[in-house]
Amino acid sequence: QITLKESGPTLVKPTQTLTLTCTFSGFSLTTSGVGVGWIRQPPGKALEWLALIYWNDDKRYSPSLKSRLTITKDTSKNQVVLTMTNMDPVDTATYYCTHPSGPGVLFDYWGQGNLVTVSS
Amino acid sequence: DIQMTQSPSSVSASVGDSVTITCRASQDIRNYLAWYQQKPGKAPNLLIYAASSLQSGVPSRFSGSGSGTDFTLTISSLQPEDFATYYCQQANSFPYTFGQGTKLEIK
Repeated sequence: QITLKESGPTLVKPTQTLTLTCTFSGFSLTTSGVGVGWIRQPPGKALEWLALIYWNDDKRYSPSLKSRLTITKDTSKNQVVLTMTNMDPVDTATYYCTHPSGPGVLFDYWGQGNLVTVSS
Repeated sequence: DIQMTQSPSSVSASVGDSVTITCRASQDIRNYLAWYQQKPGKAPNLLIYAASSLQSGVPSRFSGSGSGTDFTLTISSLQPEDFATYYCQQANSFPYTFGQGTKLEIK
């Protein structure tokens, strides 16, 4: 079955760069059509889609955050890494790794989430 | 970006009641609409895709309808485990956007 798990810091300082790793199983990022995405949720607020990467290295970013985000994959390790630069307290959120599926792009499997607090 | 607007923001109901949540897209998304349920401290769970198709394992008391810009999620015969927050998401076009959520509370 498909599982995803996020790992990374729980606390980062303002202006620092956040690096989160998603380790997944049950599918391969070398298979045509397969991707991994990131979504975040500030405490008590709504979900916000951040980025997607596909098996062919096609990458999509939220337009509002594109300048700060980088998504990469390591198919040998079944991992996807998201980096977000210049962190600010408003970036405090739970960051979820997700498996996109169709029709269209929706998210049928989610990791447990990684709460990241941005504070000095 | 396509804006997704849910109503109401919160609703109170009793076990056994039926509840309908609406979601409106700012432009035509055909039937590329998903609904998620989220319980406190947990990741969202996909309930419905393609506006009206039930995800595997989801009870049949959940149903969805709509196309174009207007969609609904109906939960019939509410069970205690249904009290949660519900989100819609447009799956039609990048960037993929969510509604602000509807919190379903016990009356």
